[in-house]
Amino acid sequence: GAGVSQSPSNKVTEKGKDVELRCDPISGHTALYWYRQRLGQGLEFLIYFQGNSAPDKSGLPSDRFSAERTGESVSTLTIQRTQQEDSAVYLCASSPRGLKETQYFGPGTRLLVL
Amino acid sequence: DQQVKQNSPSLSVQEGRISILNCDYTNSMFDYFLWYKKYPAEGPTFLISISSIKDKNEDGRFTVFLNKSAKHLSLHIVPSQPGDSAVYFCAASAGYALNFGKGTSLLVTP
Repeated sequence: GAGVSQSPSNKVTEKGKDVELRCDPISGHTALYWYRQRLGQGLEFLIYFQGNSAPDKSGLPSDRFSAERTGESVSTLTIQRTQQEDSAVYLCASSPRGLKETQYFGPGTRLLVL
Repeated sequence: DQQVKQNSPSLSVQEGRISILNCDYTNSMFDYFLWYKKYPAEGPTFLISISSIKDKNEDGRFTVFLNKSAKHLSLHIVPSQPGDSAVYFCAASAGYALNFGKGTSLLVTP
């Protein structure tokens, strides 16, 4: 079946603007994750959704970052008042149930804040 | 603080030889480990995983070894092929979030 998809694939924005990134997980996967990868770094965990449970937001770097998920489907990651240090690849992953499982990643959204 | 470390940023190996990629971790609570492969402009692709109850897992040309006492794992690719050239990320988990190393760029030369 289809893998994880993300949109847009690339986004260039000006400092101070808001951006919204979208993730469509693999159908039937209850767990959804957002990570980001800054240049030369490994992936950093941002947020985790599991079914209808309250999300784990412990990885969000500031209150400018928020994410939502509708049931077990699409998720959006919103960055308000973007800063240059927000420039990164934002990766979404999903897995069937969540705990100690392989996570399947989308292609990412490359965000550049000028 | 980096809980998962890949100390070699790059590795070059001749086609047909063995590639050995190394990874160290500091958190003794990690009990599930994975290797991902990443091509430019693509998301990471899962390669192989290992649970802390094992010390070896094999899948075709790929074998992962886990040494819990040394908090060290390695990925062996035998024989290496030019199509294996990519960035390899080690990841570890104590729950659901994955903690990633910075990656090792593998180049397999003909």
